[in-house]
Amino acid sequence: GQNIDQPTEMTATEGAIVQINCTYQTSGFNGLFWYQQHAGEAPTFLSYNVLDGLEEKGRFSSFLSRSKGYSYLLLKELQMKDSASYLCAVEDSNYQLIWGAGTKLIIKP
Amino acid sequence: NAGVTQTPKFRILKIGQSMTLQCAQDMNHNYMYWYRQDPGMGLKLIYYSVGAGITDKGEVPNGYNVSRSTTEDFPLRLELAAPSQTSVYFCASSRAEQETQYFGPGTRLLVL
Repeated sequence: GQNIDQPTEMTATEGAIVQINCTYQTSGFNGLFWYQQHAGEAPTFLSYNVLDGLEEKGRFSSFLSRSKGYSYLLLKELQMKDSASYLCAVEDSNYQLIWGAGTKLIIKP
Repeated sequence: NAGVTQTPKFRILKIGQSMTLQCAQDMNHNYMYWYRQDPGMGLKLIYYSVGAGITDKGEVPNGYNVSRSTTEDFPLRLELAAPSQTSVYFCASSRAEQETQYFGPGTRLLVL
């Protein structure tokens, strides 16, 4: 079967750094996406990795290791507005996205 | 650009009733998707379309139907509502595979 695992919930302090991990087992791999979803809103795109390594975009970075079936999202200089759920999704061999359940990130002042 | 729009925002249905969830996009995207999101679960793909006139089943298609007569519109039909269809429904679109999916604001559906 296909499986995406993420921690259910994480807590971090404003101004700090947090790493959200994602491990996956899917039938094929055509890329990994990270989305942010605020409560009651739609998911919005954060990052995309298809090759191994680190992709940096401002305060957010995403890392991929295809051999380990592993990715992480790194958020730096945390702000209160970063309180949201972070969704990991893998594009499988049929180019369909398989979604993790999401990690709820709580930022404390 | 409105992006992806969905109507209605919220709806209560009685068991056995039917309804259509509307979705439209103005980005000229070929690919469109319908997902449902249940608490504590990942998004599940219901149906998708790679272009006008072409639709295909996703992971959880039972109880739903779709059509794609134009590039812009991708309505989702529930024929006989069941309590198990209580969920938040998101429509999304993308230019192609391996491209960012853009989501509509969602429709919250309650079946009682």
